[in-house]
Amino acid sequence: NAGVTQTPKFQVLKTGQSMTLQCAQDMNHNSMYWYRQDPGMGLRLIYYSASEGTTDKGEVPNGYNVSRLNKREFSLRLESAAPSQTSVYFCASSEQTGAYYGYTFGSGTRLTVV
Amino acid sequence: AQTVTQSQPEMSVQEAETVTLSCTYDTSESDYYLFWYKQPPSRQMILVIRQEAYKQQNATENRFSVNFQKAAKSFSLKISDSQLGDAAMYFCAYRSVLFSSGSARQLTFGSGTQLTVLP
Repeated sequence: NAGVTQTPKFQVLKTGQSMTLQCAQDMNHNSMYWYRQDPGMGLRLIYYSASEGTTDKGEVPNGYNVSRLNKREFSLRLESAAPSQTSVYFCASSEQTGAYYGYTFGSGTRLTVV
Repeated sequence: AQTVTQSQPEMSVQEAETVTLSCTYDTSESDYYLFWYKQPPSRQMILVIRQEAYKQQNATENRFSVNFQKAAKSFSLKISDSQLGDAAMYFCAYRSVLFSSGSARQLTFGSGTQLTVLP
């Protein structure tokens, strides 16, 4: 099992460029999440999808959009990248009904906006 | 909304010694889960241990154990016989048991503690 797969692993963007971070899970999980990790701030929730067909804002959604393409895939789009979006991005998934299980995380994307 | 606080940005421990990482949280809920995640330099997030709030017994996983004090809203992680491979960033996290329409029971993380293990 691959678990949660994120692409790309590294990316450098110029200010104003756009890009999409891809995430796919093969565990038949209902819920998927996008977090960003910044030094001294832990992981903060950007957007989440409780189930296929639904998406909701998290703590820091400004400057991002998401698409839950199907049950497996949940993408994060930066329409016009800004230096403040330099961060490490994590995708995760979990069972909708199983709080016990925590998350399964992808390996992260290190994004630098110059 | 729940908040999670880790007041120790950095900690160090000698190899084979014991270290305790602190975590406090704020919630009005009575049932929830608490987690410790480890993030080594590879960036991978690894679940270390979890605790359900209604269980009074502290969770243990080999050399890792927690001290869960529900009334004080405290959830510390003890690492015994520290090894070089324990060096990592450690995150405390909270997850609600309650489920409401549209909610995905997201994890709320603390800011992390960077643990260094000295040989």
